[in-house]
Amino acid sequence: AQSVSQHNHHVILSEAASLELGCNYSYGGTVNLFWYVQYPGQHLQLLLKYFSGDPLVKGIKGFEAEFIKSKFSFNLRKPSVQWSDTAEYFCAVISLEAAGNKLTFGGGTRVLVKP
Amino acid sequence: EAQVTQNPRYLITVTGKKLTVTCSQNMNHEYMSWYRQDPGLGLRQIYYSMNVEVTDKGDVPEGYKVSRKEKRNFPLILESPSPNQTSLYFCASKQGTSGFVSYNEQFFGPGTRLTVL
Repeated sequence: AQSVSQHNHHVILSEAASLELGCNYSYGGTVNLFWYVQYPGQHLQLLLKYFSGDPLVKGIKGFEAEFIKSKFSFNLRKPSVQWSDTAEYFCAVISLEAAGNKLTFGGGTRVLVKP
Repeated sequence: EAQVTQNPRYLITVTGKKLTVTCSQNMNHEYMSWYRQDPGLGLRQIYYSMNVEVTDKGDVPEGYKVSRKEKRNFPLILESPSPNQTSLYFCASKQGTSGFVSYNEQFFGPGTRLTVL
C-alpha cells in the first residue's frame, strides 16, 4: 500500500533559523506531490505542489521543496522562519496510477517557532 | 468566493445517535472526499466521490456512509457513532480526476470537530 512518511513529528526552532522537513513516499510511478500547512485552528492550505518539470518548487511565504525521484523524497525548506510559521505541516502524494486519485498524507510535523 | 463549507463546525453527541455532517462546494468540482485527522496519523481518507452518484471507500470507511446526489454536496453520515469516531473531519474537493496540471489540487473545508461520548 502507498504510504507517506514524515520523519519529524515535532520541530522547535527560533526565529530566523532555517527549516527543513523531510518527506518520503513509498511507491513508484507518476506522482503529484504537495505540502499543506495547517495554522492553529484553521483548515489546510496549500503551500506548494509538484506536478512535473523543475524539481525545485517554490511556494507561498518563502517555502520551497525539492523533488528527488531517486530518493522518493519531497523535502520542504525555508531559509529563515518567522514566528507566524508556527503550524502543522503535511506532505501528501497522489499516485496517478492508483484507484480513485487518492491523496495520501503523512502524519504531519508540528513546527513551533520561538520568538 | 470559491470555497468548501462544512456544517456543523463543532458537534458533541452520544454513542448511537445518528448524525450528518454536510459538505458543500461552489467550484463545480467533480471530485469530493472526506478525511479524518487524528494526532500522529495525518489525514486518512474515509470516502470519495468521482462524480454524482459515484462513491467509493477510502482507507477508513467503517462506520460511515456518504451520498452524492448533487454535484455540490457530499454529506457524511454516521448511522451509529461510537467514541472511536471522535476526530476532526475535513471535506475536500477538486476539479477533475485525470490529467496533470491543476487537476489534482484539493481544496479543503474548515473542518468539523466531532466528539462522541
